[in-house]
Amino acid sequence: QKEVEQNSGPLSVPEGAIASLNCTYSDRGSQSFFWYRQYSGKSPELIMSIYSNGDKEDGRFTAQLNKASQYVSLLIRDSQPSDSATYLCAVRRLTGGGNKLTFGTGTQLKVEL
Amino acid sequence: NAGVMQNPRHLVRRRGQEARLRCSPVKGHSHVYWYRQLPEEGLKFMVYLQKENIIDESGMPKERFSAEFPKEGPSILRIQQVVRGDSAAYFCASSPQGLTYEQYFGPGTRLTVT
Repeated sequence: QKEVEQNSGPLSVPEGAIASLNCTYSDRGSQSFFWYRQYSGKSPELIMSIYSNGDKEDGRFTAQLNKASQYVSLLIRDSQPSDSATYLCAVRRLTGGGNKLTFGTGTQLKVEL
Repeated sequence: NAGVMQNPRHLVRRRGQEARLRCSPVKGHSHVYWYRQLPEEGLKFMVYLQKENIIDESGMPKERFSAEFPKEGPSILRIQQVVRGDSAAYFCASSPQGLTYEQYFGPGTRLTVT
């Protein structure tokens, strides 16, 4: 079982729709969760971080965390073609794991006109 | 307000040569991390450093790879005797002091071994 699992996609959504990206993790000691966006050939860009159960909203982005289910998601409202990228889920455990991030392999999102 | 800087952006080495990748963290950040992204694979942690200290090198290959973050100057990831399997994108990230901060990535160095 991978430590962080994501559906590789591609996930195709029409412009203006809500894109829902999901991530599960296996380590119950994980305490911090991050979503990065990576355009092809570019570096990861941090778009959301979440540390406690529930929802966290920032503009068109909402991160959702459910530690009991070991599940974190990212919703993108009013999807735009510029949102087309690979979205990486990353988790971190602060005790016994140093400060390293463990990444999923990413979900490719395509927003179609 | 400069972000993480990495150089070179592209590096071509022949098998058996050495590769040196440099990373300058965000001004004021004292924690540096190196990650590697192989083609069609996810980002993998390699090493975590603070000034003059290696904190966690659990992701570093046991041979040929080393990293440092001297008191002055950039962090260096060094790969000796490169092989084709070392071809990848190498990303550096930095964070402020403390364990609870987000990590911000540099543009990466794309290493090609011929």
